[in-house]
Amino acid sequence: TQLLEQSPQFLSIQEGENLTVYCNSSSVFSSLQWYRQEPGEGPVLLVTVVTGGEVKKLKRLTFQFGDARKDSSLHITAAQPGDTGLYLCAGRGGVSGGYQKVTFGTGTKLQVIP
Amino acid sequence: GAGVSQTPSNKVTEKGKYVELRCDPISGHTALYWYRQSLGQGPEFLIYFQGTGAADDSGLPNDRFFAVRPEGSVSTLKIQRTERGDSAVYLCASSPGGLHEQYFGPGTRLTVT
Repeated sequence: TQLLEQSPQFLSIQEGENLTVYCNSSSVFSSLQWYRQEPGEGPVLLVTVVTGGEVKKLKRLTFQFGDARKDSSLHITAAQPGDTGLYLCAGRGGVSGGYQKVTFGTGTKLQVIP
Repeated sequence: GAGVSQTPSNKVTEKGKYVELRCDPISGHTALYWYRQSLGQGPEFLIYFQGTGAADDSGLPNDRFFAVRPEGSVSTLKIQRTERGDSAVYLCASSPGGLHEQYFGPGTRLTVT
């Protein structure tokens, strides 16, 4: 079974602080995605990274795909209360399924305190 | 336009009963996915449809779980002889095709007492 382990599992920080969330796997994925999910809603896609070593920026969020395409990180600069939510990484095209199958990580619950 | 909708939003049932969960995808989306999510965890893949056929059902936990999509649009996830361990949020997602972004519905919270 493929696993995407995220760390930390929980994170509570003050507004304005920086943070990094990690997503690690022993498997190679064709691409890796990051989602954010708020209570009572489904996950919403933030970004997809495809190439090993790729870095993408979305305003205050920076996403990186590891060179070996097994791991990824999400860095948030100057966190705001609106960033609060469950952050999920997800791999596509792993060894146990076709590209259509998405394997989600264990999740990181972020709370930003005003 | 309308997003993915799921009904009911909440379902409470007794152990041993049969339940059906419905997903209405975005119009025109050919791909449809079902996931199960426990509190604070990431969604767990159950099944993927491309059109009317189940392209990958490797995530269904056992033969009590079954899903259909007879006309390539609405899908129903069916759970027989429910168990307390089936309690979770069941999420549906659709996409224009297998390589495109998935759009998730709000989920159905199933509680088995």
